[in-house]
Amino acid sequence: DQQVKQNSPSLSVQEGRISILNCDYTNSMFDYFLWYKKYPAEGPTFLISISSIKDKNEDGRFTVFLNKSAKHLSLHIVPSQPGDSAVYFCAAYSGGSNYKLTFGKGTLLTVNP
Amino acid sequence: GAVVSQHPSRVICKSGTSVKIECRSLDFQATTMFWYRQFPKKSLMLMATSNEGSKATYEQGVEKDKFLINHASLTLSTLTVTSAHPEDSSFYICSVPTRGLGTEAFFGQGTRLTVV
Repeated sequence: DQQVKQNSPSLSVQEGRISILNCDYTNSMFDYFLWYKKYPAEGPTFLISISSIKDKNEDGRFTVFLNKSAKHLSLHIVPSQPGDSAVYFCAAYSGGSNYKLTFGKGTLLTVNP
Repeated sequence: GAVVSQHPSRVICKSGTSVKIECRSLDFQATTMFWYRQFPKKSLMLMATSNEGSKATYEQGVEKDKFLINHASLTLSTLTVTSAHPEDSSFYICSVPTRGLGTEAFFGQGTRLTVV
């Protein structure tokens, strides 16, 4: 049973346009959500996070939106750059889980010049 | 600089041998570390929680005798894949939770294990 779902395995966008990566979750106990970026043969690096008490968090070109009622979050990257090409993982944890992250399967983002 | 150092980054071993992977927390003490495994085109699957000074907690379906975890100090956790088989070939990643510093987890660089 996958508690964090990223239903799009890949996404291709043009440089300068917006990239929107989606993530759904089923566990209502999750109260913190994170996005990680991963290059091949490297560990994930943290990108941005959001607490369940918020519905938006912005950091530069990256914005994460959370819709708790729909159990859905999305990562917006604008403008997209070729260097953003990577696999993006959505992750979540609940406060009582000792910071144990549950990951989605990831979405491969390709930004074309 | 790296906050979590994982070594080796790549290892090839023969079937039946054991391989040890190290995960070091460089900037802070870690009473807990997590070990993940990633299969191709799959998400990061939590294997176990490494606890300093006590036994690791394994996720369902993970063989604790196969994947030995030792967390002898506040900065080092090791994962030993014992009697490795080709199906153990995978990408193994450790992480250190930061408990409220904003990122919630720093990850090691990962180890690509290939068992031949």
